[in-house]
Amino acid sequence: AQSVTQPDIHITVSEGASLELRCNYSYGATPYLFWYVQSPGQGLQLLLKYFSGDTLVQGIKGFEAEFKRSQSSFNLRKPSVHWSDAAEYFCAVGLTSGTYKYIFGTGTRLKVLA
Amino acid sequence: DAGVTQSPTHLIKTRGQHVTLRCSPISGHKSVSWYQQVLGQGPQFIFQYYEKEERGRGNFPDRFSARQFPNYSSELNVNALLLGDSALYLCASSLADSGTPTFGSGTRLTVV
Repeated sequence: AQSVTQPDIHITVSEGASLELRCNYSYGATPYLFWYVQSPGQGLQLLLKYFSGDTLVQGIKGFEAEFKRSQSSFNLRKPSVHWSDAAEYFCAVGLTSGTYKYIFGTGTRLKVLA
Repeated sequence: DAGVTQSPTHLIKTRGQHVTLRCSPISGHKSVSWYQQVLGQGPQFIFQYYEKEERGRGNFPDRFSARQFPNYSSELNVNALLLGDSALYLCASSLADSGTPTFGSGTRLTVV
């Protein structure tokens, strides 16, 4: 069965420090991979997506993610975190056959210390 | 341009009641999907509609139903509400059924 695992429920970093959020997926076919961010009480905003090609993808707000097929991972990174990055981050797999639905991980809540 | 619009933003219902949630997709988008996000969890897929036809259904009971109208807006209906139905309900739209979805801000449903 398809699944997405975000092993870190909470992460706390200091402003200006680097960030890496982990995401592992299980899907038999070539995955479409996404990272979304959600501020409290809000919907989901797309940060970046991977469909094919270059395994390092750039997104909005200075985020990037790297697809590693051998590790079934799609980790999100940012070199220098800003206080406004505090939010919840969701990794998702888009299924590419049959129903076009998205399987989300349980999320990682990011706290940024001033 | 207006994004995905959902109404109402908040709703309180009593167990056993029925609720209708509404979604207006981005102009030109023909696909609408619904997701349920329980507090502390990631969103879970409920339905996808494309060109007014149901394209997929998640693992939800028959109390959940939806439809898409000729103008591509959509309704999600939930009958016989349970306390466990309390959640943020997210609507997402995309140009095509396989397009990257844009999410609305959601409807927060509280069942008491």
